[in-house]
Amino acid sequence: EAGVTQFPSHSVIEKGQTVTLRCDPISGHDNLYWYRRVMGKEIKFLLHFVKESKQDESGMPNNRFLAERTGGTYSTLKVQPAELEDSGVYFCASSQVFPGLAHEQYFGPGTRLTVT
Amino acid sequence: QKEVEQDPGPLSVPEGAIVSLNCTYSNSAFQYFMWYRQYSRKGPELLMYTYSSGNKEDGRFTAQVDKSSKYISLFIRDSQPSDSATYLCAMSASGGSYIPTFGRGTSLIVHP
Repeated sequence: EAGVTQFPSHSVIEKGQTVTLRCDPISGHDNLYWYRRVMGKEIKFLLHFVKESKQDESGMPNNRFLAERTGGTYSTLKVQPAELEDSGVYFCASSQVFPGLAHEQYFGPGTRLTVT
Repeated sequence: QKEVEQDPGPLSVPEGAIVSLNCTYSNSAFQYFMWYRQYSRKGPELLMYTYSSGNKEDGRFTAQVDKSSKYISLFIRDSQPSDSATYLCAMSASGGSYIPTFGRGTSLIVHP
């Protein structure tokens, strides 16, 4: 069974540009989560989808971040316009059970975003 | 004060040593305690989780939770070079909360 996949693995953009990150959850997992780890800090929750609906977006830092999950399969996270402080590693996780427990989430390898 | 404190290390040990990794926390509502292993350029991989207090053992790994002290530990026996990774503790509250609060992770290096 394929795990959670994320694309690209690394993105380098200039401040002010737009970047779109993609996450493909494990097949059959209705729950999809986005997390972010800024350099030197802990991993922090951004938002949670159940199928195509946003269940919890309390961790989204500001309106420059837009997450979508059309069709309830893969998800995209767009940052527009990117700022220097957006640099970090963006993780996606998925789980089968709703609302699920933290230890039931499977993480992807992450996308390393560098904003220069 | 951070909700979860974890020494980032690095912690360097010789092969075969017993490794002790620890986290402290401040939120008494935490009931689920997880340990993740993360290799370079990979995502966190769940190693073990414990509900409430007590010990849990899985092969060379033992997780301990002391809720009275708000302190959790992961012990690795007979450490191997392949154990070299970053170890993250994470915790979540009961009542269906699915959002873990992570520590910063401890970098472990096991040298042959």
